[in-house]
Amino acid sequence: EAAVTQSPRNKVAVTGGKVTLSCNQTNNHNNMYWYRQDTGHGLRLIHYSYGAGSTEKGDIPDGYKASRPSQENFSLILELATPSQTSVYFCASGDHDRANTEVFFGKGTRLTVV
Amino acid sequence: GQQVQQSPASLVLQEGENAELQCNFSSTATRLQWFYQHPGGRLVSLFYNPSGTKHTGRLTSTTVTNERRSSLHISSSQTTDSGTYFCAIDRWASSSFSKLVFGQGTSLSVVP
Repeated sequence: EAAVTQSPRNKVAVTGGKVTLSCNQTNNHNNMYWYRQDTGHGLRLIHYSYGAGSTEKGDIPDGYKASRPSQENFSLILELATPSQTSVYFCASGDHDRANTEVFFGKGTRLTVV
Repeated sequence: GQQVQQSPASLVLQEGENAELQCNFSSTATRLQWFYQHPGGRLVSLFYNPSGTKHTGRLTSTTVTNERRSSLHISSSQTTDSGTYFCAIDRWASSSFSKLVFGQGTSLSVVP
């Protein structure tokens, strides 16, 4: 099965601080995604990437940046963390073709901003 | 508006009972995936099922594309089936990329 690894798994940050969440996939997938999961909202797409060097805004990009320095790595950056960004963050990867667009998720990062 | 609606929001079963989870989607995107989220948080793919019926073990997924609905049937439930089940559809962002849109999930609890 496809492997997507997130780090850290848990993080406590202070308001106004910078936070970087990392994601690595070893499956040579072109597409990578960052989602956040909150009670009552399900999973919502923050940023995504077509491949190395590309980042695109998802549905809720405000307050977040993303970086895709290589095929394997996709980071989510909170330059000035706020308590409203307390959430569980999931990274995912997948390949896209018209026959199969299965997506694989990491185990998640629980972020608490105090 | 909400593109993916799941029902019920929560469900409690006695071990051994069957369950039917529903997913209705409003957009024309029809590629559909069912996920299971462990109580600890990890999301795993159960089915990629854009149309028709698929089986794996005690799970059956049926998607009726032109009616924009899909169901997940769990037979002979076990306590280890407890967790949250998500339905997600592809929303095409371009000819070479798609984005998953998730429903809000069905929380299943199977009690002994």
